[in-house]
Amino acid sequence: GQNIDQPTEMTATEGAIVQINCTYQTSGFNGLFWYQQHAGEAPTFLSYNVLDGLEEKGRFSSFLSRSKGYSYLLLKELQMKDSASYLCAVRDLSNNAGNMLTFGGGTRLMVKP
Amino acid sequence: IAGITQAPTSQILAAGRRMTLRCTQDMRHNAMYWYRQDLGLGLRLIHYSNTAGTTGKGEVPDGYSVSRANTDDFPLTLASAVPSQTSVYFCASSSTAGQPQHFGDGTRLSIL
Repeated sequence: GQNIDQPTEMTATEGAIVQINCTYQTSGFNGLFWYQQHAGEAPTFLSYNVLDGLEEKGRFSSFLSRSKGYSYLLLKELQMKDSASYLCAVRDLSNNAGNMLTFGGGTRLMVKP
Repeated sequence: IAGITQAPTSQILAAGRRMTLRCTQDMRHNAMYWYRQDLGLGLRLIHYSNTAGTTGKGEVPDGYSVSRANTDDFPLTLASAVPSQTSVYFCASSSTAGQPQHFGDGTRLSIL
């Protein structure tokens, strides 16, 4: 089985930087995904890490350490529109569904003026 | 615009009734998925299909069935709805299994 942990809620100020952490325990790790989900909307894909290190995409970056079972999503120059839930998902080849993703409960980020 | 279409957008259903949620994608993706999303529990996989003609069980398959007769369509059926199946249901697809998934807008289902 898998265990994926994220903080439930975070608050940050417009223009600031925020780091959303995700820890996981899995026996057949094969990649970690971050999704953004605005309230009442569908999740949208943000980033994918399969090797250790930092992946940068504009204001968003995602980091992975496989040895520590740890990832974070870094959001820079926060904007009000970044208020959303951020979902961490792990691909595990050892579960019955093979390549399927298992999602964490999500972190709800509130950006304040 | 290419993407995933889910129908209906929302539905209120009496317990015991049969219901099919529709999902169609026009991206020629091989893999499709059905999730339910409940407060505090995140997205949980119900069923998946890696390619047309094949399906598999996810984390919470009981009470649900799927079919994949062609590449584009992946309907989810509740044979006899129960109140615990009240949830938001998302259909998703990816080019192949394990690739980033694209999600539909969801179906909000209430079972009374």
